[in-house]
Amino acid sequence: GAGVSQSPSNKVTEKGKDVELRCDPISGHTALYWYRQRLGQGLEFLIYFQGNSAPDKSGLPSDRFSAERTGESVSTLTIQRTQQEDSAVYLCASSLVIPTDTQYFGPGTRLTVL
Amino acid sequence: AQSVSQHNHHVILSEAASLELGCNYSYGGTVNLFWYVQYPGQHLQLLLKYFSGDPLVKGIKGFEAEFIKSKFSFNLRKPSVQWSDTAEYFCAVNILTGGGNKLTFGTGTQLKVEL
Repeated sequence: GAGVSQSPSNKVTEKGKDVELRCDPISGHTALYWYRQRLGQGLEFLIYFQGNSAPDKSGLPSDRFSAERTGESVSTLTIQRTQQEDSAVYLCASSLVIPTDTQYFGPGTRLTVL
Repeated sequence: AQSVSQHNHHVILSEAASLELGCNYSYGGTVNLFWYVQYPGQHLQLLLKYFSGDPLVKGIKGFEAEFIKSKFSFNLRKPSVQWSDTAEYFCAVNILTGGGNKLTFGTGTQLKVEL
């Protein structure tokens, strides 16, 4: 079956603009995660959705970052008033049932803020 | 806060050499442990995982890892590497008690295998 998909694959924006990144999880996966990978660093957790429960937003670096998920489908990560330090690869992952299921990752969105 | 350390940032090996990549984590409770791999131009893929049971875990492509609880380690090994193993390898930990379901990743090890 299809894996996790993300769009766009690349996004270049100017400082101060808002961006929206999209993630389509694997069908049937109830859990969805966003991570960020800055150049030369490991992946950094941002936010996690599980079914209808309140999302775990503990990794969001500032209030400029927000994410939504409709049911158990698509999620969008929004970054408002982008800054140069937001430049990174943003990765989405999904899994079946917490806490022991493997997370499957999408190809990522490379965000460059000029 | 929990952390994951990968001490080797860049490793260069010749084909057929043995590989061991270190991974240590800083949490004393129950954890799930993972190694993910990212081949050039591809996205992250699961290499192997440890949830419970036998601490020696075998994954795809001849990789294995050993969970040593007393050392908080989950080192990745392969007895004989191939050129196609050139990739970036990430160790990750999922803390099961009070940690939610987020993975904490190490900074990655870039492996280059030379012919």
